[in-house]
Amino acid sequence: SQQGEEDPQALSIQEGENATMNCSYKTSINNLQWYRQNSGRGLVHLILIRSNEREKHSGRLRVTLDTSKKSSSLLITASRAADTASYFCATGDSGGYQKVTFGTGTKLQVIP
Amino acid sequence: SQTIHQWPATLVQPVGSPLSLECTVEGTSNPNLYWYRQAAGRGLQLLFYSVGIGQISSEVPQNLSASRPQDRQFILSSKKLLLSDSGFYLCAWSVDRVVRAPLHFGNGTRLTVT
Repeated sequence: SQQGEEDPQALSIQEGENATMNCSYKTSINNLQWYRQNSGRGLVHLILIRSNEREKHSGRLRVTLDTSKKSSSLLITASRAADTASYFCATGDSGGYQKVTFGTGTKLQVIP
Repeated sequence: SQTIHQWPATLVQPVGSPLSLECTVEGTSNPNLYWYRQAAGRGLQLLFYSVGIGQISSEVPQNLSASRPQDRQFILSSKKLLLSDSGFYLCAWSVDRVVRAPLHFGNGTRLTVT
C-alpha cells in the first residue's frame, strides 16, 4: 500500500518559476526522502530529511517536514526545462530496518 | 564505486509463461535489496525487500516471488504470469545497517504480459 500521497498529481509551470510539491504520509517515520524519475528510467535520490529536522536545503531544492501534520514539501526554485520529471516522496520505517515506501508522485512539466 | 545492473530492459511475455528478472549490485557488501513495481503513470509499489542472503520479506501477496541466492543478487520470479503483472519493475539497493541510507535504483525492466 502507498504510504505517501503527493499533491498536486501534475504541475505545469514556466521556466524560472518556483515549483512546490507536497507529500502527506500516514504512519510514524524515521526519515523522509525525495526522489526524481525521468520518463522510463529509475529513480534518483535528491534529498533526505530526518524526522527531527524541519528544513533542509540542497542547491535549488528546499525540503520542509512537519511531523505533527505528517507532511512534507519540496520546493524547486528557479525551475529549468531539465527539471521536467516525476517527483516522489518516500518514507523510511521507524521500526529500525530499511523499509522504504513511496508516494504516488507529482508529474512536473517546466515549459521553456 | 557501486553500480546496479538490472536486466532485461524490456520483456514481452504471454499470459501463463514464467518470469525471471535479475538484479545484481557491484561495489558493496551485504546491501539491502528491493523490488518495486510501477504501473503506468503511478507510484511505486514495494513488492519484496531483503536484508541478507535468504532473507526475503514480502509486502504484497501475489503470484510473484523473490530470491537472494548470493549476497548481491536479487531475482524476481513468477511461475505463471497474469495480465495484471504488466508494469515497470525496479530493483534498488541501500547500504546495510544505515537506517537513513538512500536507495539507488537500476534502470528498470518494462514487462508487458500479452
